[in-house]
Amino acid sequence: GESVGLHLPTLSVQEGDNSIINCAYSNSASDYFIWYKQESGKGPQFIIDIRSNMDKRQGQRVTVLLNKTVKHLSLQIAATQPGDSAVYFCAENYNAGNMLTFGGGTRLMVKP
Amino acid sequence: KAGVTQTPRYLIKTRGQQVTLSCSPISGHRSVSWYQQTPGQGLQFLFEYFSETQRNKGNFPGRFSGRQFSNSRSEMNVSTLELGDSALYLCASSLEGDEAFFGQGTRLTVV
Repeated sequence: GESVGLHLPTLSVQEGDNSIINCAYSNSASDYFIWYKQESGKGPQFIIDIRSNMDKRQGQRVTVLLNKTVKHLSLQIAATQPGDSAVYFCAENYNAGNMLTFGGGTRLMVKP
Repeated sequence: KAGVTQTPRYLIKTRGQQVTLSCSPISGHRSVSWYQQTPGQGLQFLFEYFSETQRNKGNFPGRFSGRQFSNSRSEMNVSTLELGDSALYLCASSLEGDEAFFGQGTRLTVV
């Protein structure tokens, strides 16, 4: 994802609603994508990943969609809970090894 | 199993000093990557080590260096500290081609 410099976009949702967080990635050669959740004072926590040979992957309450045509990644969170409040980052890997390029992040706020 | 451990958690240094941060990866993980996180620049890749060799390097000055030991533990060093080096430094470990797991980070403040 492109680093868009840290005016963090914010998504505010009601508890129980579904959330969709979007990310535009930068390199068409990227073949591995990860979503991370970061809570205040903590390191990023792995949520879900997807490889470029897939366009959808589901986890527990989360779904990642990959659109390689427009270089777009989205994270869907079902039945959003207050504990989901955090900053969410997408990351792409286009290099041999583990060199991730991160997007600027989206702050998710869940209203009880 | 234990996660990625970074020490120390917090550090205050003076401009011009040097600092060494430590990272113990998840057992069995041979790849260790370092990232710098600041409000202005977000999360930026510093370097990656695999089997004691630097495999990838980000766009940071030579004052930033690292190494990896035979037990996969890694250290990063920043020399001649500048105010702009104040950041959260994150370490991530992974198996080859697999998801990266992050530690809690070391919060470095340069005064």
